[in-house]
Amino acid sequence: EGHLEESGGGLVRPGGSLTLSCVAYGFTFTSYSFNWVRQAPGKGLEWVASVSASFGHIYYAQSVRGRFTISRDDAGASVFLQMDALRVDDTGIYYCARDASTGTTGWFDPWGQGTLVSVSS
Amino acid sequence: YVLTQPPSVSVAPGQTARITCEGDNIGSKHVHWYQQKPGQAPVVVVYEDSDRPSGIPERFSGSNSWNSATLTISMVEAGDEADYYCQVWHSPEDPYVFGPGTKVTVL
Repeated sequence: EGHLEESGGGLVRPGGSLTLSCVAYGFTFTSYSFNWVRQAPGKGLEWVASVSASFGHIYYAQSVRGRFTISRDDAGASVFLQMDALRVDDTGIYYCARDASTGTTGWFDPWGQGTLVSVSS
Repeated sequence: YVLTQPPSVSVAPGQTARITCEGDNIGSKHVHWYQQKPGQAPVVVVYEDSDRPSGIPERFSGSNSWNSATLTISMVEAGDEADYYCQVWHSPEDPYVFGPGTKVTVL
């Protein structure tokens, strides 16, 4: 079934930058779309960004468009989230998740364990 | 696109919990459900309205029609206490949409 491992979280000042990484294990990476989903402390899940197989499609939530950049490295089975101009309300756990659907039904499995991003002065 | 869920559902052990997810014409979409326990990543328990991933007990089932989808947990156990989120794929402009979540408490 495979699994995902995120890294790169940390404490950053407002206006700063951070890059998250997600490495995939145990399945054919190039066949899937990958996503970042975040969760602010005590809040619900919020989809952030998506990159399809072969970079065919990239989507962003309105809240991060123009500030975040998602990318993938098929050779390294990795997905990245470059986060610039960070704001306090970007604070939360960031999860990497595979889109497991075979069409456009769009569901997530598996999820990584998450990496914590804290934006504070 | 907005999904609506009840904030909380309480159920006694052995009883049935039903969690609704409402959205405009949600019956025309595929609804997925995730379970999230404290300090853990979400796990899909039902996908594409009513399918269960391997390893998920048959006690978890889903349905979807018109303006409401439902996750049903039969014979509830203490270990089912968690937050549950519904999610759909809506459109390229607003692809993955989550509901606000429902906290299930086992009495």
